[in-house]
Amino acid sequence: DSGVTQTPKHLITATGQRVTLRCSPRSGDLSVYWYQQSLDQGLQFLIQYYNGEERAKGNILERFSAQQFPDLHSELNLSSLELGDSALYFCASSVAGQGQETQYFGPGTRLLVL
Amino acid sequence: GNSVTQMEGPVTLSEEAFLTINCTYTATGYPSLFWYVQYPGEGLQLLLKATKADDKGSNKGFEATYRKETTSFHLEKGSVQVSDSAVYFCALATGGGNKLTFGTGTQLKVEL
Repeated sequence: DSGVTQTPKHLITATGQRVTLRCSPRSGDLSVYWYQQSLDQGLQFLIQYYNGEERAKGNILERFSAQQFPDLHSELNLSSLELGDSALYFCASSVAGQGQETQYFGPGTRLLVL
Repeated sequence: GNSVTQMEGPVTLSEEAFLTINCTYTATGYPSLFWYVQYPGEGLQLLLKATKADDKGSNKGFEATYRKETTSFHLEKGSVQVSDSAVYFCALATGGGNKLTFGTGTQLKVEL
């Protein structure tokens, strides 16, 4: 158990809909990362937050947005969903978001868009 | 930009065989290097890491050495077990942001 929790575990929805994925980092970790794992794209970094502020952005679509709240949990919002958004979404956390730190991953949310 | 190249899988070995999974990287600056493992139906777990050249990371019988001259971080284990069957990801992080760049993953199957 990494100490990172994600909800829900599974999500099935329809094209055009909007969903929210939630992540709680390990106790004491200030930085949260979101990654997408799909068969065709592999594991891709989406976005990073540190203590409530966006720190880095990767291959995140404009239809997707995220935020980190004062209690440090984070939410990833996916809107106008398309079939190609079906993937496993991971959240990870680390202490301060620096280059040598270990990132601890949650169990993931599996999203299926029908 | 940063990139990680891993050997294609799946790799199928008999129990107690020697394992090598090759990983090479391209990065600006001086990356930290990681191996993560994903067991079926689970998230990623850190297996080992190395933060500077010539460092050797090791854990659970696995080891990898950070080779700056060959830009490589090959994963090795002397004697694999059936329980090692999983997907292994090589990854790197650079700079202050710490975002991970992953390889495509190598599936390992260990048979009795």
